[in-house]
Amino acid sequence: SQKIEQNSEALNIQEGKTATLTCNYTNYSPAYLQWYRQDPGRGPVFLLLIRENEKEKRKERLKVTFDTTLKQSLFHITASQPADSATYLCAHNYGQNFVFGPGTRLSVLP
Amino acid sequence: NAGVMQNPRHLVRRRGQEARLRCSPMKGHSHVYWYRQLPEEGLKFMVYLQKENIIDESGMPKERFSAEFPKEGPSILRIQQVVRGDSAAYFCASSPPETPNYGYTFGSGTRLTVV
Repeated sequence: SQKIEQNSEALNIQEGKTATLTCNYTNYSPAYLQWYRQDPGRGPVFLLLIRENEKEKRKERLKVTFDTTLKQSLFHITASQPADSATYLCAHNYGQNFVFGPGTRLSVLP
Repeated sequence: NAGVMQNPRHLVRRRGQEARLRCSPMKGHSHVYWYRQLPEEGLKFMVYLQKENIIDESGMPKERFSAEFPKEGPSILRIQQVVRGDSAAYFCASSPPETPNYGYTFGSGTRLTVV
């Protein structure tokens, strides 16, 4: 069955640095990958979508890549700020819905 | 636009009772998805509905769980005879008919506690 792994459960970085989160998937070739942000006690918030024929997508300080050969997506936050601290989820389409990874909890230290 | 509205935010039920979770999608959205999230775990797909139709219920337990999205009113996720293992956060998401795969809008969730 399809499976999504995210590089680590938690990631701590210093303010101003670039945070890089990894999402690996197996047993499926998705057409779309999405990234969401989730704060404690809240629902996920959609950030970016990238299609299989797109190598890279940017939105303000966010950048997402999609490597269909490696079956991997990277999510970058440049010039990170303490307000970026949250759990970040990746998801890929599967049939008519999306499968989510377990998330990576990012802490940006001042 | 009020976004996806879920209620109640918190629900406490004793073992054996029924839990009814409600979700009103964003205005103009006709696709509704229910996900369950256990502590420290990812979101697990349960069911995908359109108005008056269940499109995919492959993630829903065969017994005790049911979902509907009537022509009028919110989508309802119903759990009968709740057990402790049903304690979780239940999230509803919606998407528009033109771009169902583009990105979901999630509600704030219902936190079910079974005592």
